[in-house]
Amino acid sequence: NAGVTQTPKFQVLKTGQSMTLQCAQDMNHEYMSWYRQDPGMGLRLIHYSVGAGITDQGEVPNGYNVSRSTTEDFPLRLLSAAPSQTSVYFCASSYRAVYDSYEQYFGPGTRLTVT
Amino acid sequence: RKEVEQDPGPFNVPEGATVAFNCTYSNSASQSFFWYRQDCRKEPKLLMSVYSSGNEDGRFTAQLNRASQYISLLIRDSKLSDSATYLCVVNAPYNQGGKLIFGQGTELSVKP
Repeated sequence: NAGVTQTPKFQVLKTGQSMTLQCAQDMNHEYMSWYRQDPGMGLRLIHYSVGAGITDQGEVPNGYNVSRSTTEDFPLRLLSAAPSQTSVYFCASSYRAVYDSYEQYFGPGTRLTVT
Repeated sequence: RKEVEQDPGPFNVPEGATVAFNCTYSNSASQSFFWYRQDCRKEPKLLMSVYSSGNEDGRFTAQLNRASQYISLLIRDSKLSDSATYLCVVNAPYNQGGKLIFGQGTELSVKP
């Protein structure tokens, strides 16, 4: 049981390039989400999914696309990288625990630099 | 007003001290509450869920006051290994499929 995995761990992009950050979980969790974390800003939700085929925008969705074709995978696509997207990206998955409480588990993160 | 607000840090305490973190949330319809711990440049990890009656896990005690929309975390007998950032987290209300709202975090540094 690997939990939540993310690849790559580190990435450097040039402005305008596109790429996909991969996220997978093997816990059969319904809910998955992507966050970015910047110094002094805390974790901000980019996109989330409540199940295969269903996605929705979070707080900071611009410049990112997601899809959820399977329960296990939730890739994040950067359409045209900008320096403002330099950040640490965390993927998380969660299940419904007691009383509609969702305990969320995070992947190790991808550190992205856009030059 | 931010949806989840935490005490600004950092907290610098000696080993063995008791330290308390406070957190307020703005939406009274929120139902689930958590404390996460994040070590430098690592992913956040669930420390404990917070239940209405309050709960304890070893040296850690979490309390919830729904009337005041206030959550707390108490750490007794601080260890060097407790040094980290502590995140207060609230489930978005109205059953938004597990959407979590994170506070900014409070940094704790435990010194010898």
